Amino acid sequence: DIQMTQSPSSLSASVGDRVTITCRASQSISRYLNWYQQKPGKAPKLLIYAASSLESGVPSRFSGSGAGTDFTLTISSLQPEDFATYYCQQSYGIPRTFGQGTKLEIK
Amino acid sequence: EVQLVESGGGLVPPGGSLRLSCAASGFTFSSFEMNWVRQAPGKGLEWVSYIGSSGSIIYYADSVKGRFTISRDNAKNSLYLQMNSLRAEDTAVYYCARAGLYPNFDYWGQGTLVTVSS
Repeated sequence: DIQMTQSPSSLSASVGDRVTITCRASQSISRYLNWYQQKPGKAPKLLIYAASSLESGVPSRFSGSGAGTDFTLTISSLQPEDFATYYCQQSYGIPRTFGQGTKLEIK
Repeated sequence: EVQLVESGGGLVPPGGSLRLSCAASGFTFSSFEMNWVRQAPGKGLEWVSYIGSSGSIIYYADSVKGRFTISRDNAKNSLYLQMNSLRAEDTAVYYCARAGLYPNFDYWGQGTLVTVSS
């Protein structure tokens, strides 16, 4: 199985900050990497697919980059509604696997 | 508007069975692959099972293989998960999730809670 490791596991930041979350795969997954946002009590929401493609309707302050084993999700200027948990997920192999999540909290 | 609505969750004793359903609307269900993903209380996301658009290709996570069965009825726009021999560690919110045209989970239901406890 492909293991996905996110860092950090939690992060405190302020409105307006630039934030970067990292995701590392245990083997090369090309660009088969997706990012999701989940708020408490809600289903996850797709933000980024294919490592860097923005899902329709997602604000442009979200961006993704990377290929192979190392990927990043960047939020350019945090807004109050961005405080949530973020997950990376690989679509290269079966089983599909997720990172353990990064909880983004208000400082 | 794409909608996925899960049902069938509840409290079941260890060793029991439960059948989850997911009603799909707002898209051509028979053209899309589907998945079940679960989330234990306070934990991360775990992919459970995948079914191809016609139902002929199926995959399971090792943690549920031999106990869970995924199926679909394209005439009824519905996805199912038959869960047998349930264990405490199967306690989770179960989401049905559509596989997007790129391999991702592009739409999710609201989830249904399964609690395995005596």
